[in-house]
Amino acid sequence: DSGVTQTPKHLITATGQRVTLRCSPRSGDLSVYWYQQSLDQGLQFLIQYYNGEERAKGNILERFSAQQFPDLHSELNLSSLELGDSALYFCASSVALGNSPLHFGNGTRLTVT
Amino acid sequence: GIQVEQSPPDLILQEGANSTLRCNFSDSVNNLQWFHQNPWGQLINLFYIPSGTKQNGRLSATTVATERYSLLYISSSQTTDSGVYFCAVVWHGFQKLVFGTGTRLLVSP
Repeated sequence: DSGVTQTPKHLITATGQRVTLRCSPRSGDLSVYWYQQSLDQGLQFLIQYYNGEERAKGNILERFSAQQFPDLHSELNLSSLELGDSALYFCASSVALGNSPLHFGNGTRLTVT
Repeated sequence: GIQVEQSPPDLILQEGANSTLRCNFSDSVNNLQWFHQNPWGQLINLFYIPSGTKQNGRLSATTVATERYSLLYISSSQTTDSGVYFCAVVWHGFQKLVFGTGTRLLVSP
């Protein structure tokens, strides 16, 4: 168990809808990262927060947004969903920036029909 | 950006065999991790190894940062070792973990 909790585990929704994925980092970790893994694809970095502030952005679509709350949990919001958004979404956390290991949650599997 | 290449892309082993997975990266890194993604999709953290050698049971890893590569050794492989092995690095001056393309391992009984 990595200590990173993601909910829900599975999500099935229709095109055009909006969903929210939730992540609770390991106790003591200030940095949260979101990654997307499409079918048979590698892991693509979406966005990173550190202690409530956005610190790095990857290939995140404008339809997607995220935030980190004062209690350090994070949410990833996906709107106007398309079939191509179906993927495994991972959250990871680390103590600090850059020089500490990332610990990944079990992911949320999103299916858009 | 930094390039992270893993080899081989696919590997089939008989149970009990040993293997070596390689990760090459194109620039200096602050952080290097090895992960195992099991058939259920879970990402298991194997090693945090920006340099040097570490061992954990049947697995060991070595990173030679000056030559920009890392190796993951699996000894006496078991069917539960099947899955995809990812190498991931944090590039100097950046904060995100960049993943390699992975090595897909199948261990047959």
